[in-house]
Amino acid sequence: NAGVTQTPKFRVLKTGQSMTLLCAQDMNHEYMYWYRQDPGMGLRLIHYSVGEGTTAKGEVPDGYNVSRLKKQNFLLGLESAAPSQTSVYFCASRPTAYNEQFFGPGTRLTVL
Amino acid sequence: AQTVTQSQPEMSVQEAETVTLSCTYDTSESDYYLFWYKQPPSRQMILVIRQEAYKQQNATENRFSVNFQKAAKSFSLKISDSQLGDAAMYFCARSGGTSYGKLTFGQGTILTVHP
Repeated sequence: NAGVTQTPKFRVLKTGQSMTLLCAQDMNHEYMYWYRQDPGMGLRLIHYSVGEGTTAKGEVPDGYNVSRLKKQNFLLGLESAAPSQTSVYFCASRPTAYNEQFFGPGTRLTVL
Repeated sequence: AQTVTQSQPEMSVQEAETVTLSCTYDTSESDYYLFWYKQPPSRQMILVIRQEAYKQQNATENRFSVNFQKAAKSFSLKISDSQLGDAAMYFCARSGGTSYGKLTFGQGTILTVHP
């Protein structure tokens, strides 16, 4: 099992550009999450999904969109990147609401 | 907002000694879970230990143990016989019973282990 994978691992964008981060898991987990990690602030939840075809907003959803068309994939989109979105992005998944989350390796995004 | 607070931005310990990392949290739920995650320089988030709030017994995992004080809403991590490989950022996190497993994280504590 590959676990949770994220593509790409690094990316540099210019302000106003768009991009999509891909998260994939091969553990048949129902729940998937996108977090961002900024210095001194820990990880904060952007969006999450409780199953295929469902998405919901987390703590810091502004400027991001997500889709869960297939159970194994959870996409995070930035339509018009801003420097404030410079961060490390983590995807996670879990089989039920009460088990620990399994994290991907993270994506470092820089917006110039 | 239901928060998680780690009041120690940095901690250090000598190899083979014991260190305790502090965490307090706020919640209005009776059913919740608490976690400690380790993040080494590789950036990977690694689960260290977890505690179910309904269990009175403190969780242990080899050299890692917790002191869970439910009434005080405190959840500290004790690392015994510290090793160089324990050096990392440590995050305390909480998930609620009705929150679809969403994790709320503390700010993190950087642990340095001196040889």
